[in-house]
Amino acid sequence: QKEVEQNSGPLSVPEGAIASLNCTYSDRGSQSFFWYRQYSGKSPELIMSIYSNGDKEDGRFTAQLNKASQYVSLLIRDSQPSDSATYLCAVLGRFGAGTRLTVKP
Amino acid sequence: GAGVSQSPRYKVAKRGQDVALRCDPISGHVSLFWYQQALGQGPEFLTYFQNEAQLDKSGLPSDRFFAERPEGSVSTLKIQRTQQEDSAVYLCASSLVQEGEAFFGQGTRLTVV
Repeated sequence: QKEVEQNSGPLSVPEGAIASLNCTYSDRGSQSFFWYRQYSGKSPELIMSIYSNGDKEDGRFTAQLNKASQYVSLLIRDSQPSDSATYLCAVLGRFGAGTRLTVKP
Repeated sequence: GAGVSQSPRYKVAKRGQDVALRCDPISGHVSLFWYQQALGQGPEFLTYFQNEAQLDKSGLPSDRFFAERPEGSVSTLKIQRTQQEDSAVYLCASSLVQEGEAFFGQGTRLTVV
């Protein structure tokens, strides 16, 4: 079992919809959780961090953490074509395989 | 500079050649990570430094891979006797603390021919 698991997708949503991305992790001692966005041919860029159970909102992005279930998710509201990218979950320096999101106009 | 800097951006090596990839982290960042990213995959962890100490090298795929950070700032990833399967993008990231927000360099795309 990999340390960080993501549905590899691809995930396709229409413009304006909510995109939901999921991630599970194996290390119960983890305290910090991150979502990165990676455009094709570019390096990952940090978009959200979350440290405690519950929800954290930043603009159109909401990160959700459930440590008991070892689960972290990212919701993107009002999805835009410019959100089309691969989204990477990171825990303790380890990354998931990423979920490729396409937002169709 | 303000961000993580990696050089070279592109490297073509003949099979069997040794290569050295450089990472200049954000000033003051204690933690430094190296990753290997194949096309369509997430970054695969290679090694982690806290200052000059290499605390985790469990991801290095073989003894041909070697990393160092002698003064706790600039780091070098060396690959000896390169093989075709080493072709990938090598990413470096730094953070203020181990579980802190990590920032990536532009990466080095290595092609072994």
